[in-house]
Amino acid sequence: EIVMTQSPATLSVSPGEGATLSCRASQSVSSNLAWYQQKPGQAPRLLIYGASTRATGIPARFSGSGSGTEFTLTISSLQSEDFAVYYCQQYNTWPPSTFGPGTKVDIK
Amino acid sequence: QVQLVQSGAEVKKPGASVKVSCKASGYTFTSYGISWVRQAPGQGLEWMGWINTYNGDTEYAQKFQGRVTMTTDTSTSTAYMELRSLRSDDTAVYFCVRSGLGGWFDPWGQGTLVTVSS
Repeated sequence: EIVMTQSPATLSVSPGEGATLSCRASQSVSSNLAWYQQKPGQAPRLLIYGASTRATGIPARFSGSGSGTEFTLTISSLQSEDFAVYYCQQYNTWPPSTFGPGTKVDIK
Repeated sequence: QVQLVQSGAEVKKPGASVKVSCKASGYTFTSYGISWVRQAPGQGLEWMGWINTYNGDTEYAQKFQGRVTMTTDTSTSTAYMELRSLRSDDTAVYFCVRSGLGGWFDPWGQGTLVTVSS
């Protein structure tokens, strides 16, 4: 089973600032990596798939990069609606599909 | 629009079973699989398994093997997840989500809270 790790666990950011979230896989997942955003009491929402492709309707301030074992989600200028928990997921070696433990982005 | 609508919250006693439904609309149901993912209170996301809605093939996470069954009713575009021998640590929100074989997950159902308590 591929183990996904994310850092940091919590990121405190002021509105308008940028944020960089990291995700690491225990072995290569090629570019088969997705990012999700989850707000309290809501279902996760797909942001990025294929490591760098934005899902339909996702603002351009969200961008993904990386391949192999190291991945990054960048939010260029945080808006109030971006404060949430972000999860990465690998779907390269499946089953099982595995998620990282999440990074909480909160208001500084 | 593509939408997955799940059944309502459940309260079960330890040892009981629960069956959660997930009705799909806005796309051809048999063109995509359905995964089930759960989230315990304050915790992360845990993949439980996947069903091929075209032929009924399933893949279950090892942790749930023997205790979970995923099925579909293609006549109503509905997927079901049944979990048996419930324990208190099965208390969680259960999500269905559209997914291809080995693909990303989108969209997600709204979630169904299952509470296991004596």
